[in-house]
Amino acid sequence: AQKVTQAQTEISVVEKEDVTLDCVYETRDTTYYLFWYKQPPSGELVFLIRRNSFDEQNEISGRYSWNFQKSTSSFNFTITASQVVDSAVYFCALSAPYSSASKIIFGSGTRLSIRP
Amino acid sequence: EAGVAQSPRYKIIEKRQSVAFWCNPISGHATLYWYQQILGQGPKLLIQFQNNGVVDDSQLPKDRFSAERLKGVDSTLKIQPAKLEDSAVYLCASRYSNSGANVLTFGAGSRLTVL
Repeated sequence: AQKVTQAQTEISVVEKEDVTLDCVYETRDTTYYLFWYKQPPSGELVFLIRRNSFDEQNEISGRYSWNFQKSTSSFNFTITASQVVDSAVYFCALSAPYSSASKIIFGSGTRLSIRP
Repeated sequence: EAGVAQSPRYKIIEKRQSVAFWCNPISGHATLYWYQQILGQGPKLLIQFQNNGVVDDSQLPKDRFSAERLKGVDSTLKIQPAKLEDSAVYLCASRYSNSGANVLTFGAGSRLTVL
């Protein structure tokens, strides 16, 4: 069975602090993809990043960085120097392409609040 | 390119009434999904279409929910009769193919309130 766990329900930090959102996943597939989506107050889920199971290189995009570790089945997301506009709900998701139906399973999300 | 279109954005109905939501995916996207997102939770897959065929509807409450994608483009999700616990945002998403590598693009959602 596939599962995505985001243990942090809510995080609140002061602007300019760094913050890390945790994601732990379970799958029996050897080939899979991991995603992060952002859901701002407007409600639309916005794609942030995709990582395949064979690429464990960390990725940095501006203030965002992702740490993928297969050994711990984790795909954590760090925002450096957070800004108020980063306030949103963030979802980690898992997709296994060789399942009978290649669906994306979402975690329960982490609500991030950045205080000015 | 135009995004995933959904309507209506908001709907308020009383329990036991019926409601329908419409979704127009991104042009050329063969795979379409309906997700249910209850307040404070992550999206939960209801049904997945590949063109006009159902790939996965294992979590669709078939006694009250139905969905179709007759021409492999637009899709409609219907609830009849609605229950209080159906209050949620119904998200439509599409992607180019069924490959797990492809990114899902979501619509803005249809927020349903059942009184």
